[in-house]
Amino acid sequence: AQSVTQLGSHVSVSEGALVLLRCNYSSSVPPYLFWYVQYPNQGLQLLLKYTSAATLVKGINGFEAEFKKSETSFHLTKPSAHMSDAAEYFCAVIGAKAAGNKLTFGGGTRVLVKP
Amino acid sequence: DGGITQSPKYLFRKEGQNVTLSCEQNLNHDAMYWYRQDPGQGLRLIYYSQIVNDFQKGDIAEGYSVSREKKESFPLTVTSAQKNPTAFYLCASSQGRNQPQHFGDGTRLSIL
Repeated sequence: AQSVTQLGSHVSVSEGALVLLRCNYSSSVPPYLFWYVQYPNQGLQLLLKYTSAATLVKGINGFEAEFKKSETSFHLTKPSAHMSDAAEYFCAVIGAKAAGNKLTFGGGTRVLVKP
Repeated sequence: DGGITQSPKYLFRKEGQNVTLSCEQNLNHDAMYWYRQDPGQGLRLIYYSQIVNDFQKGDIAEGYSVSREKKESFPLTVTSAQKNPTAFYLCASSQGRNQPQHFGDGTRLSIL
């Protein structure tokens, strides 16, 4: 069975500061990993995905994530936070042989950006 | 533009009533999914369908039902057996194994 753990349900950063959101996964097979962002009362929007082509993945809105197999981690970063980054972020995993392409989500991290 | 349309955006249910949430996609995706989101929790899978006329239960299917008569449509019925239906419901679709899911903007269901 696969699982995803996001450390910290809430993160507060100052505008212009580094954003770091942590995600650790467990999977019995090489995983496919995703980060999604959710703005209030909206659906989830894909930020980036890891599909084994490269360990450092660049996404939209200046975000990137690094896959570290030895640490079973896929942390999300952005060098300089913007007010528009205030949202909830979800890490998700598909085990390579998961039936039905089912995603397993972490509990989410809500980001607050202070001016 | 291709995408997923969920309707209505807000829905109210009376005690003992069944309600149906609509989900339509024009992405030509084979697979569709329904999730429930509660405050402070991640998304939990209710039902999913990989192909027309076929669907499987997810992790929290009790009190819900679905149908998949057309590729582009995957309606979810919240039955009176679901005792705690107040939540944000999200529909998604995907194409191909290990591909990301695309989400609609959700329906917020409340109890009158």
